Amino acid sequence: KNQVEQSPQSLIILEGKNCTLQCNYTVSPFSNLRWYKQDTGRGPVSLTIMTFSENTKSNGRYTATLDADTKQSSLHITASQLSDSASYICVVSAGNNRLAFGKGNQVVVIP
Amino acid sequence: EAQVTQNPRYLITVTGKKLTVTCSQNMNHEYMSWYRQDPGLGLRQIYYSMNVEVTDKGDVPEGYKVSRKEKRNFPLILESPSPNQTSLYFCASSLTSRTSGGDEQFFGPGTRLTVL
Repeated sequence: KNQVEQSPQSLIILEGKNCTLQCNYTVSPFSNLRWYKQDTGRGPVSLTIMTFSENTKSNGRYTATLDADTKQSSLHITASQLSDSASYICVVSAGNNRLAFGKGNQVVVIP
Repeated sequence: EAQVTQNPRYLITVTGKKLTVTCSQNMNHEYMSWYRQDPGLGLRQIYYSMNVEVTDKGDVPEGYKVSRKEKRNFPLILESPSPNQTSLYFCASSLTSRTSGGDEQFFGPGTRLTVL
């Protein structure tokens, strides 16, 4: 079964600090991997997409990496801000019109 | 403004009373999908549609029905709601299903349903 595991489940970080979120997947065949940000009470919004040939992609203070060999992705948040408090969801496209969702990393940024 | 809209946003109902949650998108997207989100379980796909008159089951379809008579609308129907269907529901759409579902999905604002 296609699975996506995210860690840590939750974390608290001080404003201005960096953090890294992990996503490990067993999805096959692999099409692409997206990171979504979900603010409390709202729908998820796409941050970045990673395809098989891409190793790193940035979107402002967010940097995603992908290691397709080890089936691991990470999302690095640089110089965190209070607005970064959210759930970050890793979604892997399984290549058969199906998507595999992680349960999310809950990030809380405190002043 | 390009968006996915859902109605109602909040709904409290009783067991067995049929209800419909509407979903509409104005982006001419082919692919639409319904998800439920529960604490500790993340987003789980209920049904999806790759185009008009084409629907398929997701991971948790039991107790739900959908229809796709028009490209822009994808209502979720609960014929006989039960308390275990209390959840936060999201509708989403994406441009095409040709990329194996990997296009960016645009999510609606969510519908919080409580079944007593």
